[in-house]
Amino acid sequence: EAQVTQNPRYLITVTGKKLTVTCSQNMNHEYMSWYRQDPGLGLRQIYYSMNVEVTDKGDVPEGYKVSRKEKRNFPLILESPSPNQTSLYFCASRRTGFINEQYFGPGTRLTVT
Amino acid sequence: GQQVMQIPQYQHVQEGEDFTTYCNSSTTLSNIQWYKQRPGGHPVFLIQLVKSGEVKKQKRLTFQFGEAKKNSSLHITATQTTDVGTYFCAGVNNDMRFGAGTRLTVKP
Repeated sequence: EAQVTQNPRYLITVTGKKLTVTCSQNMNHEYMSWYRQDPGLGLRQIYYSMNVEVTDKGDVPEGYKVSRKEKRNFPLILESPSPNQTSLYFCASRRTGFINEQYFGPGTRLTVT
Repeated sequence: GQQVMQIPQYQHVQEGEDFTTYCNSSTTLSNIQWYKQRPGGHPVFLIQLVKSGEVKKQKRLTFQFGEAKKNSSLHITATQTTDVGTYFCAGVNNDMRFGAGTRLTVKP
């Protein structure tokens, strides 16, 4: 089954404790991205990757890191989480080219206290 | 940079009533996509519009792309409880920008 998986689905952590949210897709998509969803703000892109070893900042990259060592994986790293990073996070993937739908993962709800 | 505005933010309807959400871009778009997110779920692709003035239908859903390729709408005829969720537009140019979404609730 074609899908994007994320782990963990739920995470409660404390300020400053490094964490990683994993993302994996099995569709051989070149393009992957991370979004955060906050009430009234829709989906805002954090980082994206056009292919292996190619990453770039989205609209809200501060406080986040990513890496793309393999085509299928695109982890999101919070080196020192803060309460304003409490949000719902989605990983997404698609083929490159502008006429391609995005496939979203199930989401990770992160709470930073 | 490109901005995508979507209205209304919320819409509550009686089952059987129609529903429309509107999307406006600050710049001309290459294409526009629409997604639906069920409560507690993730966004799921509905459709993509590419041509100026394009109209596409999916059962009770009608999607339109404006002549200037800067605005779009999604219209649902005779809403059902299964239509509940948040509808997002995503304007595509050099990148993809999502609107804030319209959250639809339907009273049976």
